[in-house]
Amino acid sequence: GDSVTQMEGPVTLSEEAFLTINCTYTATGYPSLFWYVQYPGEGLQLLLKATKADDKGSNKGFEATYRKETTSFHLEKGSVQVSDSAVYFCALSEGQAGTALIFGKGTTLSVSS
Amino acid sequence: GAVVSQHPSWVICKSGTSVKIECRSLDFQATTMFWYRQFPKQSLMLMATSNEGSKATYEQGVEKDKFLINHASLTLSTLTVTSAHPEDSSFYICSAHDTAQSQHFGDGTRLSIL
Repeated sequence: GDSVTQMEGPVTLSEEAFLTINCTYTATGYPSLFWYVQYPGEGLQLLLKATKADDKGSNKGFEATYRKETTSFHLEKGSVQVSDSAVYFCALSEGQAGTALIFGKGTTLSVSS
Repeated sequence: GAVVSQHPSWVICKSGTSVKIECRSLDFQATTMFWYRQFPKQSLMLMATSNEGSKATYEQGVEKDKFLINHASLTLSTLTVTSAHPEDSSFYICSAHDTAQSQHFGDGTRLSIL
């Protein structure tokens, strides 16, 4: 079945460092891909998404490009801030719009000043 | 923007108690809502798909008699954990799709069974 694999955390960075969180997926069709962020004690918030190959999702300085050839959707940010400390989930949704999400295990990011 | 309200945010109760969690779409209608469960430091796992006006669709391994789902209106789905036991302690999160098919999550309910 479909699955999402994320790099294991935690990821610990200093403020203004470059961030990459790797995400690869397995899917039978052409899924939509998402990154969600979960701040401590809160629910999930959509960070960005891409619905087809070569699409780039971006938001709040974060970017991810849908790479069909490598089945990847790596999350990047050029300069992280302390406020970016959270758990990041990569997810996919297969089939028609409105279907449930399949999540990766999440990667904890800790940014220190 | 679209908002999903989940209530309560945290509940502690004794073993054997039934607990109801509500999930409301505040400014849009949702024919489909999803219920997820998240164990500590693990990912979200889909428990069931809640369909307005019909029975929920449960994922394999999820006991439908244990986790009762009711989606009586286009803005409300409820999850009732019946006769809860310590192993049911977890973080439960609902989500709903808006008309643009973007999925919006509630803030989750932390359930602790003593």
